[in-house]
Amino acid sequence: DQQVKQNSPSLSVQEGRISILNCDYTNSMFDYFLWYKKYPAEGPTFLISISSIKDKNEDGRFTVFLNKSAKHLSLHIVPSQPGDSAVYFCAASGYGGSQGNLIFGKGTKLSVKP
Amino acid sequence: NAGVMQNPRHLVRRRGQEARLRCSPMKGHSHVYWYRQLPEEGLKFMVYLQKENIIDESGMPKERFSAEFPKEGPSILRIQQVVRGDSAAYFCASSPQGSGEKLFFGSGTQLSVL
Repeated sequence: DQQVKQNSPSLSVQEGRISILNCDYTNSMFDYFLWYKKYPAEGPTFLISISSIKDKNEDGRFTVFLNKSAKHLSLHIVPSQPGDSAVYFCAASGYGGSQGNLIFGKGTKLSVKP
Repeated sequence: NAGVMQNPRHLVRRRGQEARLRCSPMKGHSHVYWYRQLPEEGLKFMVYLQKENIIDESGMPKERFSAEFPKEGPSILRIQQVVRGDSAAYFCASSPQGSGEKLFFGSGTQLSVL
């Protein structure tokens, strides 16, 4: 039973446009959410996070939005660049697990075309 | 400033053999985590260790798998009597004391069981 779902396996966007990656979760105990980016043959790299007490967090071109009532979060990348092409994982914690015990989604592969 | 180092990058074993995966955390990091990624899946938490202590092994299979993080040397994930279903990418991550959920991942070890 997946507690963190990324329903779009892939997304293709034109360079300069906005990329929107979505993530849904089922466990209302989650209180911290993260996005990781992964290039082929490399490990995931932390991108941005948000606490459940906030509804938005922004870092440069990356913004994460959290809608607790809908149990939904999204990552916006504006403007998208070809170097953003990677697999993006949504992750959650705070359900009573230990530090670092994150629940990951299956990922969305983003392709940004020049 | 070296990141999280994992070796080997690729490991091939025949069914019934043992697999040993090594992880050296980033300098100054005292927390180590192991995750497994099966094909077409997200990362799944396995175990969280601090020096000489297992803090959370709730994601570890009950049999054949063990992990350690000795006082000196790298963390080791050991899989005894490997089976084909153990074929996966194994990622190690580390974090400093009190960093919360932001993890720094290594490039992973791809285990293939023939």
